[in-house]
Amino acid sequence: TQLLEQSPQFLSIQEGENLTVYCNSSSVFSSLQWYRQEPGEGPVLLVTVVTGGEVKKLKRLTFQFGDARKDSSLHITAAQPGDTGLYLCAGSKGWGKLQFGAGTQVVVTP
Amino acid sequence: ETGVTQSPTHLIKTRGQQVTLRCSSQSGHNTVSWYQQALGQGPQFIFQYYREEENGRGNFPPRFSGLQFPNYSSELNVNALELDDSALYLCASSFRSGVTDTQYFGPGTRLTVL
Repeated sequence: TQLLEQSPQFLSIQEGENLTVYCNSSSVFSSLQWYRQEPGEGPVLLVTVVTGGEVKKLKRLTFQFGDARKDSSLHITAAQPGDTGLYLCAGSKGWGKLQFGAGTQVVVTP
Repeated sequence: ETGVTQSPTHLIKTRGQQVTLRCSSQSGHNTVSWYQQALGQGPQFIFQYYREEENGRGNFPPRFSGLQFPNYSSELNVNALELDDSALYLCASSFRSGVTDTQYFGPGTRLTVL
């Protein structure tokens, strides 16, 4: 069972459109990480958020950590085909395991 | 690139066999974690090693075991392979300090059990 619920499971959009991916949990995390994964490869770290209410921007990607540190969102502005991939959120309660969501598959078509 | 490497890239085994997967951590990292990712799912935590000692284990049976060496490289051993063990096995390295545990993943080993 996935402690972190991601939505939607699948998202297909045209180049230039915006998209938002959500990551929700009933648990409080000390930090939350977002990764992007290509088929057959390992997840690549995009960002770590630590403070409740924190907003981080990485070029066209905006990440937000909920005030209660239970949820997070990833917003992509003007999506490009290179943004295609599986987006995974992972929560940490300190040292040890990361608890992953099932992922959101994003497909951006030209 | 994260600097985390894994070998082999792909592996095919038959049910009942044993397998050893290897991971080389990013330079300067003292912690390694192993995850299993089945098709269409997020990675599931197997266990973590810190300074050569197991430091946390997920819901996996004892036939999954590991080692971390003084140079912080690591092995994952799986005995008595079952068909459901077919998955992408990922290792992740991190440096234990402060309050966050940012983990950097290797490319994974694709294990197929026939």
